[in-house]
Amino acid sequence: NAGVTQTPKFQVLKTGQSMTLQCAQDMNHEYMSWYRQDPGMGLRLIHYSVGAGITDQGEVPNGYNVSRSTTEDFPLRLLSAAPSQTSVYFCASSPRGLGGGRTDTQYFGPGTRLTVL
Amino acid sequence: SQQGEEDPQALSIQEGENATMNCSYKTSINNLQWYRQNSGRGLVHLILIRSNEREKHSGRLRVTLDTSKKSSSLLITASRAADTASYFCATDKTGTYKYIFGTGTRLKVLA
Repeated sequence: NAGVTQTPKFQVLKTGQSMTLQCAQDMNHEYMSWYRQDPGMGLRLIHYSVGAGITDQGEVPNGYNVSRSTTEDFPLRLLSAAPSQTSVYFCASSPRGLGGGRTDTQYFGPGTRLTVL
Repeated sequence: SQQGEEDPQALSIQEGENATMNCSYKTSINNLQWYRQNSGRGLVHLILIRSNEREKHSGRLRVTLDTSKKSSSLLITASRAADTASYFCATDKTGTYKYIFGTGTRLKVLA
């Protein structure tokens, strides 16, 4: 198993550009989520999904869109990049979700370091 | 706002000593988890404790949970230089699927 993979590892954007951060997992996990981590801080939840076709907002959803058309993939779209979105982005997956009731251990990808100029 | 807050923010100890870090949270939870993050890398799950458990062990790790005080502690015994990392607690609020992370404790173990 590759676990949770994220691409790209690094990205530089100009203000106003759009892009998609890719996240994929091969563990058949129902739950997937996106976080951002700013220097010296913990992770803040952007969006999450409890199964294919179901997504919901986290703590800091503004400026980001997600969709979940398959169990494996959970892309994060930046609609119009702003310098405030400079951060490290982590994707995670967990085996609990639809019908699973409680949440469970999360498995994290290696992160995407995004700089917006 | 952060659900979990770790204390202390930073901790520096000698190799072989024990390291204790604490986490406080605000709402009822299903479980509490501790993660480790080495500099610039993804988080690695260490241990999960459910709301009906009070203590859990895994190798050199000991986690306690006090739901009445809404707090947890992580003890690393006989620390090693390789334990140098940031440690985060994460909670999932009862009735939601949202994980909320604390701000972390930066642990430095000196050889």
